[in-house]
Amino acid sequence: GNSVTQMEGPVTLSEEAFLTINCTYTATGYPSLFWYVQYPGEGLQLLLKATKADDKGSNKGFEATYRKETTSFHLEKGSVQVSDSAVYFCALSEEGFQKLVFGTGTRLLVSP
Amino acid sequence: DAGVTQSPTHLIKTRGQQVTLRCSPKSGHDTVSWYQQALGQGPQFIFQYYEEEERQRGNFPDRFSGHQFPNYSSELNVNALLLGDSALYLCASSLVSGGQQETQYFGPGTRLLVL
Repeated sequence: GNSVTQMEGPVTLSEEAFLTINCTYTATGYPSLFWYVQYPGEGLQLLLKATKADDKGSNKGFEATYRKETTSFHLEKGSVQVSDSAVYFCALSEEGFQKLVFGTGTRLLVSP
Repeated sequence: DAGVTQSPTHLIKTRGQQVTLRCSPKSGHDTVSWYQQALGQGPQFIFQYYEEEERQRGNFPDRFSGHQFPNYSSELNVNALLLGDSALYLCASSLVSGGQQETQYFGPGTRLLVL
């Protein structure tokens, strides 16, 4: 079945450092890919998405490119802030946007 | 524009009891999905409702059931609670457009503790 694998955390960075969180997937067909963020004690917020190969999703300085050849959707940000500290989830949905399949999440800790 | 709302925010039950969680979708959305998120894990899909019918279901036992009302709001019911049902229950809403479901938006969740 479909699955998502994320790098284990926590990822600990200093403010203004470069961020990469790796995400790879296994899926049949052409899934859509998402990054969601979860702040402490809250639900999930959509961060960005990409619906087809080579699409780049971007939002709030975060970017991720849908790479079909490497089945990857790595999350990047050029300069992280303390307020970016949260848990980041990579997810996919099958064609037609059916159920979301999530990775286990990667906790990001940014220190001043 | 109100987002997805869920009630209650927290709930404590004992083993064997039954619980009902509620969800109101984002304005204009017609589809509701439910997910269970155990501590330190990613959300797991329970089921999805569209046009008041269960359209898709994950690997959860029949103790988990749901309902969607004509105003698109939804309930998740769990019978015969087990300690392992303790989790954050997330509701997500979306819109079916052109035969395809669009992006899912999540509510804040209901945290259930089973003692």
